[in-house]
Amino acid sequence: QVQLVQSGAEVKKPGASVKVSCKASGYTFTSYGISWVRQAPGQGLEWMGWISAYNGNTNYAQKLQGRVTMTTDTSTSTAYMELRSLRSDDTAVYYCARGRPGIPHDYWGQGTLVTVSS
Amino acid sequence: QSVLTQPPSVSAAPGQKVTISCSGSSSNIGNNYVSWYQQLPGTAPKLLIYDNNKRPSGIPDRFSGSKSGTSATLGITGLQTGDEADYYCGTWDSSLSAGHVFGTGTKVTVL
Repeated sequence: QVQLVQSGAEVKKPGASVKVSCKASGYTFTSYGISWVRQAPGQGLEWMGWISAYNGNTNYAQKLQGRVTMTTDTSTSTAYMELRSLRSDDTAVYYCARGRPGIPHDYWGQGTLVTVSS
Repeated sequence: QSVLTQPPSVSAAPGQKVTISCSGSSSNIGNNYVSWYQQLPGTAPKLLIYDNNKRPSGIPDRFSGSKSGTSATLGITGLQTGDEADYYCGTWDSSLSAGHVFGTGTKVTVL
Protein backbone atom coordinates (compact mmCIF):
# COMPACT_ATOMS: atom_id res chain seq x y z
CA GLN A 1 0.00 0.00 0.00
CA VAL A 2 1.13 3.52 -0.73
CA GLN A 3 2.68 5.27 2.27
CA LEU A 4 4.40 8.59 2.80
CA VAL A 5 6.24 8.79 6.13
CA GLN A 6 7.61 12.13 7.24
CA SER A 7 10.35 13.08 9.67
CA GLY A 8 9.62 14.25 13.19
CA ALA A 9 8.74 17.59 14.71
CA GLU A 10 11.29 20.41 14.69
CA VAL A 11 11.82 23.53 16.78
CA LYS A 12 13.90 26.25 15.16
CA LYS A 13 14.96 29.79 15.95
CA PRO A 14 14.12 32.68 13.62
CA GLY A 15 16.63 32.92 10.79
CA ALA A 16 17.48 29.22 10.88
CA SER A 17 16.70 26.55 8.27
CA VAL A 18 14.69 23.36 8.46
CA LYS A 19 14.75 20.28 6.25
CA VAL A 20 11.80 17.88 6.31
CA SER A 21 11.90 14.43 4.71
CA CYS A 22 9.15 12.32 3.20
CA LYS A 23 9.88 8.63 2.53
CA ALA A 24 7.64 6.99 -0.06
CA SER A 25 6.81 3.31 -0.39
CA GLY A 26 4.30 1.08 -2.16
CA TYR A 27 4.60 2.59 -5.62
CA THR A 28 7.15 3.51 -8.30
CA PHE A 29 8.60 6.71 -6.86
CA THR A 30 9.70 8.17 -10.20
CA SER A 31 6.23 7.84 -11.74
CA TYR A 32 4.85 10.68 -9.66
CA GLY A 33 5.90 13.91 -8.04
CA ILE A 34 5.64 15.24 -4.54
CA SER A 35 3.89 18.43 -3.48
CA TRP A 36 4.58 20.12 -0.17
CA VAL A 37 1.62 21.73 1.58
CA ARG A 38 1.64 23.60 4.88
CA GLN A 39 -1.03 24.54 7.37
CA ALA A 40 -0.47 27.25 9.96
CA PRO A 41 -2.32 26.84 13.28
CA GLY A 42 -6.06 27.27 12.73
CA GLN A 43 -5.55 28.16 9.07
CA GLY A 44 -6.19 26.54 5.69
CA LEU A 45 -3.97 24.59 3.34
CA GLU A 46 -1.19 26.40 1.48
CA TRP A 47 0.55 24.75 -1.48
CA MET A 48 4.28 25.40 -1.30
CA GLY A 49 5.53 23.74 -4.45
CA TRP A 50 6.05 20.54 -6.36
CA ILE A 51 8.96 18.41 -7.50
CA SER A 52 9.03 15.76 -10.18
CA ALA A 53 10.56 12.56 -8.83
CA TYR A 54 11.31 11.60 -12.44
CA ASN A 55 13.63 14.45 -13.43
CA GLY A 56 13.82 16.81 -10.43
CA ASN A 57 11.92 19.66 -12.11
CA THR A 58 10.40 22.00 -9.58
CA ASN A 59 7.65 24.60 -9.39
CA TYR A 60 7.61 26.75 -6.26
CA ALA A 61 4.88 29.05 -4.97
CA GLN A 62 5.84 32.62 -5.78
CA LYS A 63 5.75 33.79 -2.17
CA LEU A 64 8.37 31.20 -1.17
CA GLN A 65 10.72 31.61 -4.17
CA GLY A 66 14.27 32.04 -2.92
CA ARG A 67 13.60 30.52 0.52
CA VAL A 68 12.50 26.99 -0.37
CA THR A 69 14.31 24.11 -2.06
CA MET A 70 12.74 20.76 -2.86
CA THR A 71 14.86 17.74 -3.75
CA THR A 72 14.49 13.99 -4.13
CA ASP A 73 16.73 10.99 -3.62
CA THR A 74 15.50 8.28 -5.97
CA SER A 75 17.84 5.68 -4.41
CA THR A 76 15.83 5.87 -1.17
CA SER A 77 12.48 7.10 -2.60
CA THR A 78 12.68 10.12 -0.34
CA ALA A 79 11.66 13.71 -0.97
CA TYR A 80 13.03 16.67 0.98
CA MET A 81 11.82 20.20 1.59
CA GLU A 82 14.23 22.80 2.97
CA LEU A 83 12.97 26.19 4.11
CA ARG A 84 15.51 28.89 4.98
CA SER A 85 15.44 32.20 6.86
CA LEU A 86 12.63 30.95 9.06
CA ARG A 87 10.17 33.44 10.57
CA SER A 88 7.52 33.00 13.22
CA ASP A 89 4.82 32.86 10.56
CA ASP A 90 6.47 29.74 9.10
CA THR A 91 5.21 27.86 12.16
CA ALA A 92 2.95 25.22 10.67
CA VAL A 93 2.34 21.56 10.01
CA TYR A 94 4.11 20.62 6.78
CA TYR A 95 2.67 17.82 4.65
CA CYS A 96 4.02 15.98 1.64
CA ALA A 97 1.51 14.62 -0.86
CA ARG A 98 1.84 12.46 -3.96
CA GLY A 99 0.72 14.07 -7.20
CA ARG A 100 1.73 15.83 -10.38
CA PRO A 101 0.20 18.58 -12.51
CA GLY A 102 -3.21 17.50 -13.70
CA ILE A 103 -3.73 14.74 -11.16
CA PRO A 104 -4.95 15.00 -7.57
CA HIS A 105 -2.95 14.64 -4.38
CA ASP A 106 -4.10 11.13 -3.59
CA TYR A 107 -1.81 10.14 -0.71
CA TRP A 108 -0.53 12.35 2.09
CA GLY A 109 2.14 12.08 4.74
CA GLN A 110 1.21 12.31 8.41
CA GLY A 111 2.54 15.86 8.73
CA THR A 112 5.55 17.42 10.46
CA LEU A 113 5.12 20.25 12.95
CA VAL A 114 7.73 22.96 12.54
CA THR A 115 7.76 25.55 15.31
CA VAL A 116 9.75 28.75 14.85
CA SER A 117 10.35 30.50 18.14
CA SER A 118 13.10 32.45 19.84
CA GLN B 1 -3.36 33.28 -0.27
CA SER B 2 -6.15 31.01 -1.53
CA VAL B 3 -7.61 31.92 -4.91
CA LEU B 4 -10.54 29.53 -4.58
CA THR B 5 -13.39 30.84 -2.44
CA GLN B 6 -15.48 28.61 -0.18
CA PRO B 7 -18.05 29.44 2.50
CA PRO B 8 -16.42 29.39 5.96
CA SER B 9 -19.01 27.03 7.41
CA VAL B 10 -22.12 25.00 6.71
CA SER B 11 -24.25 22.96 9.08
CA ALA B 12 -27.17 20.57 9.09
CA ALA B 13 -28.80 17.91 11.24
CA PRO B 14 -27.87 14.22 10.98
CA GLY B 15 -29.36 12.63 7.88
CA GLN B 16 -29.71 15.93 6.05
CA LYS B 17 -27.76 17.20 3.04
CA VAL B 18 -25.17 19.96 2.74
CA THR B 19 -23.48 21.49 -0.27
CA ILE B 20 -20.19 23.36 -0.35
CA SER B 21 -19.33 25.72 -3.18
CA CYS B 22 -15.89 26.50 -4.56
CA SER B 23 -15.48 29.53 -6.81
CA GLY B 24 -12.43 30.11 -8.98
CA SER B 25 -11.49 31.44 -12.39
CA SER B 26 -10.83 30.33 -15.95
CA SER B 27 -7.14 29.69 -15.20
CA ASN B 28 -7.88 27.15 -12.46
CA ILE B 29 -11.33 25.57 -12.11
CA GLY B 30 -12.41 26.66 -15.59
CA ASN B 31 -9.72 24.60 -17.31
CA ASN B 32 -8.69 21.93 -14.85
CA TYR B 33 -10.15 19.06 -12.86
CA VAL B 34 -11.27 19.80 -9.30
CA SER B 35 -10.54 17.65 -6.27
CA TRP B 36 -12.04 17.75 -2.80
CA TYR B 37 -10.26 16.87 0.44
CA GLN B 38 -11.63 16.04 3.87
CA GLN B 39 -9.56 16.92 6.93
CA LEU B 40 -10.76 15.42 10.19
CA PRO B 41 -9.51 17.19 13.34
CA GLY B 42 -5.83 16.61 13.95
CA THR B 43 -5.27 14.51 10.83
CA ALA B 44 -3.84 14.91 7.34
CA PRO B 45 -6.16 15.78 4.45
CA LYS B 46 -7.73 12.86 2.61
CA LEU B 47 -8.78 12.76 -1.04
CA LEU B 48 -12.56 12.63 -1.25
CA ILE B 49 -13.40 13.52 -4.87
CA TYR B 50 -11.15 13.80 -7.92
CA ASP B 51 -11.62 14.73 -11.59
CA ASN B 52 -14.66 16.84 -10.58
CA ASN B 53 -16.93 13.94 -9.68
CA LYS B 54 -15.04 10.67 -9.18
CA ARG B 55 -14.70 8.93 -5.81
CA PRO B 56 -11.57 7.01 -4.79
CA SER B 57 -12.08 3.46 -3.65
CA GLY B 58 -13.63 3.36 -0.17
CA ILE B 59 -15.36 6.74 -0.33
CA PRO B 60 -19.13 6.27 0.11
CA ASP B 61 -21.54 7.51 -2.54
CA ARG B 62 -22.98 9.95 0.01
CA PHE B 63 -20.21 12.23 -1.25
CA SER B 64 -20.58 13.72 -4.72
CA GLY B 65 -18.92 16.41 -6.78
CA SER B 66 -19.84 18.56 -9.75
CA LYS B 67 -18.37 21.40 -11.77
CA SER B 68 -19.87 24.11 -13.94
CA GLY B 69 -17.76 26.80 -15.55
CA THR B 70 -15.49 28.31 -12.94
CA SER B 71 -17.28 26.84 -9.91
CA ALA B 72 -17.46 23.44 -8.28
CA THR B 73 -19.69 21.92 -5.64
CA LEU B 74 -19.31 19.15 -3.08
CA GLY B 75 -22.46 17.48 -1.82
CA ILE B 76 -22.82 15.33 1.27
CA THR B 77 -26.08 13.46 1.80
CA GLY B 78 -27.20 11.42 4.81
CA LEU B 79 -25.00 13.58 7.05
CA GLN B 80 -23.28 11.70 9.90
CA THR B 81 -21.46 12.94 12.99
CA GLY B 82 -18.28 11.46 11.55
CA ASP B 83 -18.55 13.90 8.63
CA GLU B 84 -17.70 16.82 10.92
CA ALA B 85 -14.49 18.08 9.37
CA ASP B 86 -12.91 20.77 7.24
CA TYR B 87 -13.35 20.40 3.49
CA TYR B 88 -11.09 21.93 0.86
CA CYS B 89 -11.38 22.13 -2.90
CA GLY B 90 -8.21 22.10 -4.94
CA THR B 91 -7.04 22.27 -8.52
CA TRP B 92 -3.99 22.98 -10.63
CA ASP B 93 -3.76 26.48 -12.07
CA SER B 94 -2.78 27.04 -15.69
CA SER B 95 -1.53 30.61 -15.26
CA LEU B 96 2.22 31.18 -15.42
CA SER B 97 3.97 29.22 -12.66
CA ALA B 98 0.82 29.30 -10.53
CA GLY B 99 1.08 25.64 -9.62
CA HIS B 100 -1.68 24.26 -7.42
CA VAL B 101 -4.31 26.17 -5.47
CA PHE B 102 -6.56 25.20 -2.56
CA GLY B 103 -9.86 26.67 -1.47
CA THR B 104 -10.25 28.68 1.72
CA GLY B 105 -11.83 25.71 3.46
CA THR B 106 -15.30 25.00 4.86
CA LYS B 107 -16.10 23.68 8.32
CA VAL B 108 -19.01 21.22 8.29
CA THR B 109 -20.90 21.00 11.57
CA VAL B 110 -23.45 18.29 12.29
CA LEU B 111 -26.07 19.81 14.57
